[in-house]
Amino acid sequence: RKEVEQDPGPFNVPEGATVAFNCTYSNSASQSFFWYRQDCRKEPKLLMSVYSSGNEDGRFTAQLNRASQYISLLIRDSKLSDSATYLCVVNPPPSGGSYIPTFGRGTSLIVHP
Amino acid sequence: SQTIHQWPATLVQPVGSPLSLECTVEGTSNPNLYWYRQAAGRGLQLLFYSVGIGQISSEVPQNLSASRPQDRQFILSSKKLLLSDSGFYLCAWSVYPGEVHEQYFGPGTRLTVT
Repeated sequence: RKEVEQDPGPFNVPEGATVAFNCTYSNSASQSFFWYRQDCRKEPKLLMSVYSSGNEDGRFTAQLNRASQYISLLIRDSKLSDSATYLCVVNPPPSGGSYIPTFGRGTSLIVHP
Repeated sequence: SQTIHQWPATLVQPVGSPLSLECTVEGTSNPNLYWYRQAAGRGLQLLFYSVGIGQISSEVPQNLSASRPQDRQFILSSKKLLLSDSGFYLCAWSVYPGEVHEQYFGPGTRLTVT
């Protein structure tokens, strides 16, 4: 089983749609969780951290389910500019003075007019 | 605020030539530093990380090496490039320990080995 799994997509949605991505992780001792956004040929950029209580930032909502070991990202009212690859990132417990995050392969989102 | 720089932005090198990529971080002290490679259409592969000057941990055995000669400088090198070394090389930093655990990436170097 892969450490962090994501559906690669692509998710092809019209503007204004609501879309949700899930990500599962295998290490139950994982400590922190994030969603990153990566545009084509660019570096990944932090979108949001994911907290146990769930958190929202504008049109984006992230949830963590520790019991089932998955995190989710919900995007409401999709914009053309949301088109990108969304990376799920999980930090296992620190080792050797560092967090060594595990990255999912990413989910591709295409928002069309 | 913290910033991270990488250069060059793009590089085309022949097989067998040496490589040196540089990454510097500003606005923070004693960061953890990381080198990743992303092959076309693939996920991020961690190559090296460093928790301090001169301290390098290798995640994947290969013909690459890394060095950290200064607190905020991280260098990725190779003596002889292979075709399979082509990819998008990303440097990242984070703070440990601390409240914040996320990583921040530099703009990357796109390497093509011909």
